[in-house]
Parts: sequence; C-alpha cells; structure tokens
Amino acid sequence: DIVLTQSPAALSLSPGERATLSCRASQTVGNTLAWYQQKPGQAPRLLIYDASNRAPGIPARFSGSGSETDFTLTISSLESEDFAVYYCQQRSHWITFGQGTRLEIK
Amino acid sequence: QVQLQESGPGLVKPSQTLALTCTVSGDSISRDFYYWSWIRQPAGRGLEWLGRVYPTGRTNYSPSLKNRVSLSIDTSKNQFSLKLYSVTAADTAVYFCARASYSASLSHVFDYWGQGALVVVSS
Repeated sequence: DIVLTQSPAALSLSPGERATLSCRASQTVGNTLAWYQQKPGQAPRLLIYDASNRAPGIPARFSGSGSETDFTLTISSLESEDFAVYYCQQRSHWITFGQGTRLEIK
Repeated sequence: QVQLQESGPGLVKPSQTLALTCTVSGDSISRDFYYWSWIRQPAGRGLEWLGRVYPTGRTNYSPSLKNRVSLSIDTSKNQFSLKLYSVTAADTAVYFCARASYSASLSHVFDYWGQGALVVVSS
C-alpha cells in the first residue's frame, strides 16, 4: 500500500490567514493526488484532483501543488466555513487516504 | 442532481456479515466511465477505501480486506451493495458509498457521496 502522511495533524489559524497543509506519499504517485474537505457529520467534499485542478464549484482560494511524493493544499485567505478536516487521496496504486489534518479556529 | 443513499442494519453481531445497499438517484448506475465504491470511517479517524464495482459487475477490492469483502451491483434497481464477512468490533464505522469516474477528467476521485451509515459491531 502507498501510505500518505499528512502534516500537521492539527492547525490553528484565524480567519483571513493563509493555511498550508502537507501530504507526503511513501512512494511516488506522479500527480494522482486529490484533496477533500470534511465537516462534522458530513461526507467528504472533493476540492482538488490531479494535484492542482480545482473541482467544479470550488472557490479560487483553494489551490493544490506538488508532484511525485510531496503535495500541498493552500487556502489563501481562510473563511469561517473552511474550518474542517482535510484529507489527501492517491489513485496511483489502488486508493488510499491520508489520516487527515484538522484545521481549527484560533 | 446525483444522490446516493446507504441503507442497512445499524447493528451487527461479531462474526456475522455486515450488509449495506446504496441506492443511486439522479444518475444511471450503468453509465459508461463510472464506477461505484464503498469507503468507511471509524469514529474520529480517517477514511479507508474498501473496493469498487463497475456496471459490468467487475470488482476490485482493497488488498487489506479482499478476503472478507464482496461488492455487487443491480442495474435494474440502480443499486449496489457491500458485504463484509466475519466482522469484529474493529469494523465499527460510518460506511459511505460514493461515485468515481475512470475517464480522463476527474479520474478515480469521488465526486458524489452518500451521507454515510453508522454500523456498530457489538453483541
């Protein structure tokens, strides 16, 4: 299995600040990485696919970058609705998810 | 609007079989270039992909569970199903059904999800 390690496990920031979340793969996955947002009691929502493409309807403040083993999700200016848990997912070899980063209001 | 809805028992005894069904509306489960998956999430933890079923009935399973899991599809009812055998308390989780594409765009990512069904394994 390809293991995805997300860091930090939790991040405390204020609205308006910039958030940078990391996802590292145990072996290269090319650009086959996606990001999801999950709020309590809800299903995950697709944000980014193929490392840097925003899914339909996702605001421009969300951006993804990276390739091979190191990936970043950036939220340029946090809105109140952005505080949630974020997961990365690879599709290079079967499908696995990272353990998540909790983005909390400071 | 595509909608997915999980259904099935919320309580299963240890060693028995967990069985869930996902009913799809707003889309044909037979549509080309899409497949249907189950993903689970233990309380307070991350997501685990269990497997996928194509409209043809072809299946793929997570290597970690492939000996205990079975997926099937009923195109006449626009439903697909999960069976997980010989369950233990470690299988207690919220189970999501989800749709993914295998076309060039949005490939192998989950764009529509059910709301999730909590299944508790306990005697």
